[in-house]
Parts: sequence; C-alpha cells; structure tokens
Amino acid sequence: GAVVSQHPSWVICKSGTSVKIECRSLDFQATTMFWYRQFPKQSLMLMATSNEGSKATYEQGVEKDKFLINHASLTLSTLTVTSAHPEDSSFYICSARDRTVSNQPQHFGDGTRLSIL
Amino acid sequence: TQLLEQSPQFLSIQEGENLTVYCNSSSVFSSLQWYRQEPGEGPVLLVTVVTGGEVKKLKRLTFQFGDARKDSSLHITAAQPGDTGLYLCAGDRNQGGKLIFGQGTELSVKP
Repeated sequence: GAVVSQHPSWVICKSGTSVKIECRSLDFQATTMFWYRQFPKQSLMLMATSNEGSKATYEQGVEKDKFLINHASLTLSTLTVTSAHPEDSSFYICSARDRTVSNQPQHFGDGTRLSIL
Repeated sequence: TQLLEQSPQFLSIQEGENLTVYCNSSSVFSSLQWYRQEPGEGPVLLVTVVTGGEVKKLKRLTFQFGDARKDSSLHITAAQPGDTGLYLCAGDRNQGGKLIFGQGTELSVKP
C-alpha cells in the first residue's frame, strides 16, 4: 500500500531555532501534499497545501513566513518552522495522495512531535 | 463554523458494548473517509465511502454513507480495548484533494 514517511519523528530544540520536517511518498508520486497541525486529543488542522513546482497554498491564519514549505519533487515536501518558539510546539503531520489514481484517499505520515524549549 | 460535525467527541465504554459515531454536514461530499489514530502516530485509513447509501463492513466496524452524501456513521459492535483511539471522519469536496475533518471522537474501551 501507499506509504508516507515523515522525518524526524521527534525534535526538541531551543527557542529561536529553525526546524525542517520532511515528508516523502515512498512508493508513489504526489503532486500535492498537505501539512497539518494537531494538538493533544484534537482533530487535525490543515495548515497548507504543498504543490510540486509551485508555491504552497496556506490556510487562513497560518503565517507563510513562519512555516516555509518547499515541494521540489514529486516525492518530497518539506516544512520549515522558522525561528521556532514554545507556542509552535505541536504534533505536525503530513499527508499525500497518489496522483495517478483517481479517488485515492490521503495517506498520512507518522507525524513529528516538535517541542521548543 | 465547523463544516463537518462529529459526535460524540468523547466516549468511554465497557468492553462488549456497542457504539456509534456520527459525522454530519450541510455540504455534499464526493467521498468520506474514516481514520483511526493512536497517540504519537499518524491517522490510519479505515475505509472510504463514495456512493450515497453505501454500507461497508470491516470486521466489527460498520460504516454508512448517507443517501445525500452529507453524513456518515461508524458503528462498532462488541467493542474491545484494542479499539481505543481517536476516530476521525474526513470529507472530500473536490477542492484539490483537501479534506475537511470532523472534531474527532476519543474512544476509550475499558476491560
């Protein structure tokens, strides 16, 4: 089945550090990937849609300069949390959909736990 | 405004009991997906429903898509502790693949 790999799974860093999270589709190509943020025991909140070869589309209220997204290939999207602060601590999840198959569901990575001290 | 209302948000039951989770909307979806998520992991797809009125079964789980494709339900028969987790419904409105998620249902099944 379709597999999405997310790396790293856990990051702890100091305030002011920039953190990059990778999302890879391992056995399929994805022109579109999605980045979510999730707080404990809550649902997923869509942050942005990552489009291969073009700019990401951000949801209302999400700072573009804070959360930089790059989708340079059909199998890799990255989310960089720039100058992270404690309020950025959260669980970040990516998802991707196989572009070659219609009506395919999204497949999710295992998430990245980000803790900013 | 929540486009996909999921209820209940919390459910604590004893092993062997039955339960139903609902997802309702005033919007029509081209498809609706149900996911289960465990702490520290990503959501895992359980089922996708596409056709209005469709019913799908996955062992003790029964999924139904409303005739008008605006609502869905998940019914679990004889719940087991291993069913514990966060259940999420998510609807697709053909907006470039974006999913609209319900609030989630935190299920706890006690032995």
